[in-house]
Amino acid sequence: DAGVIQSPRHEVTEMGQEVTLRCKPISGHDYLFWYRQTMMRGLELLIYFNNNVPIDDSGMPEDRFSAKMPNASFSTLKIQPSEPRDSAVYFCASSLEGVGYQPQHFGDGTRLSIL
Amino acid sequence: GEDVEQSLFLSVREGDSSVINCTYTDSSSTYLYWYKQEPGAGLQLLTYIFSNMDMKQDQRLTVLLNKKDKHLSLRIADTQTGDSAIYFCAENGDMRFGAGTRLTVKP
Repeated sequence: DAGVIQSPRHEVTEMGQEVTLRCKPISGHDYLFWYRQTMMRGLELLIYFNNNVPIDDSGMPEDRFSAKMPNASFSTLKIQPSEPRDSAVYFCASSLEGVGYQPQHFGDGTRLSIL
Repeated sequence: GEDVEQSLFLSVREGDSSVINCTYTDSSSTYLYWYKQEPGAGLQLLTYIFSNMDMKQDQRLTVLLNKKDKHLSLRIADTQTGDSAIYFCAENGDMRFGAGTRLTVKP
């Protein structure tokens, strides 16, 4: 079991540039989540998908952020244009569907720094 | 939406017990989870409790659930410096996480 795979692990870029974060969920998982973590605000849910369909994007900060899931094995989170306040660690997680014991499995995160 | 709330910081001395508290609001949750995040890593599932249980013990960890008050706690006995991390509670009803409690263990 390869786990949730995120890339890149680190990204440093200048403000105004487009940033694309990538995630490969665990095979067979039906849910995919994107989170942002900062010291000031802790862990925030940005958006989640069920069977590749966005279900709740109420946590997406603003129109500069967009997320897609073109197929069951791949998702992207895009920031365009990026700003210094977007600097954070971004996590992707996946889980199985169904009522019951279905914990989320997290990737190691992408540490994003916007200069 | 529903909220999961935790205090952000806790500091204890090595060998003492740590208690991390959490309140949630989604009464439909059937499972509640505790995750641990070590520096530079993602969240790892630490333990969980089914909603029809009041307590679950797993070695040094004790999870207490008060379903009436929607209160969850994690007790770590004989806390060690290796327990220093951020601890998150989460519920499966609304799939929400708390902001995380940063536990610092002083030697």
